[in-house]
Amino acid sequence: DAGVTQSPTHLIKTRGQQVTLRCSPKSGHDTVSWYQQALGQGPQFIFQYYEEEERQRGNFPDRFSGHQFPNYSSELNVNALLLGDSALYLCASSSRQLAGQQYFGPGTRLTVT
Amino acid sequence: QKEVEQDPGPLSVPEGAIVSLNCTYSNSAFQYFMWYRQYSRKGPELLMYTYSSGNKEDGRFTAQVDKSSKYISLFIRDSQPSDSATYLCAMKDNYGQNFVFGPGTRLSVLP
Repeated sequence: DAGVTQSPTHLIKTRGQQVTLRCSPKSGHDTVSWYQQALGQGPQFIFQYYEEEERQRGNFPDRFSGHQFPNYSSELNVNALLLGDSALYLCASSSRQLAGQQYFGPGTRLTVT
Repeated sequence: QKEVEQDPGPLSVPEGAIVSLNCTYSNSAFQYFMWYRQYSRKGPELLMYTYSSGNKEDGRFTAQVDKSSKYISLFIRDSQPSDSATYLCAMKDNYGQNFVFGPGTRLSVLP
């Protein structure tokens, strides 16, 4: 059983550019959440997708947007990249019926120069 | 005051020691409590999951939740060098979908 997968593993972008990160949830999961983790910090919630809709959003600007596809996979898009967007971006999947159990992927490390 | 507080460490213990990791929180609505282990440059791995108060044991790991004190703990018995990692607590209420994480405690188990 494949766990949560994310691509790419690493990414280097320049300030002002746009980036798209991808996530495939664990088999049987229908909900995808995205988190940003700065070095030495805990993950910060960006938003969650369920039934192809954004259900809840954390304190992140509109430059951060997402999408969920019918197969439950998801994308995170970040526009107009800033140096401060450099972080590990984590995708977590869960089942709506098992609200407390959330499983993370390996993350995408984004560096903005 | 942050919503979830956690001693950042680092915490160094000898192999075989009992380790106690703790988090305090301010939101009395939190009902779901999780502990994750995160190795360097990897995603967090779910270790323990508890709903509401009480204790839960899984092998060498025991999670405790004291909602009256807004305090949760993770105990690791017979610690091993492979337990060296950052431990994150996370919690959420019954209504929201987002988990709130502590900053993590870095643990080193010395052989």
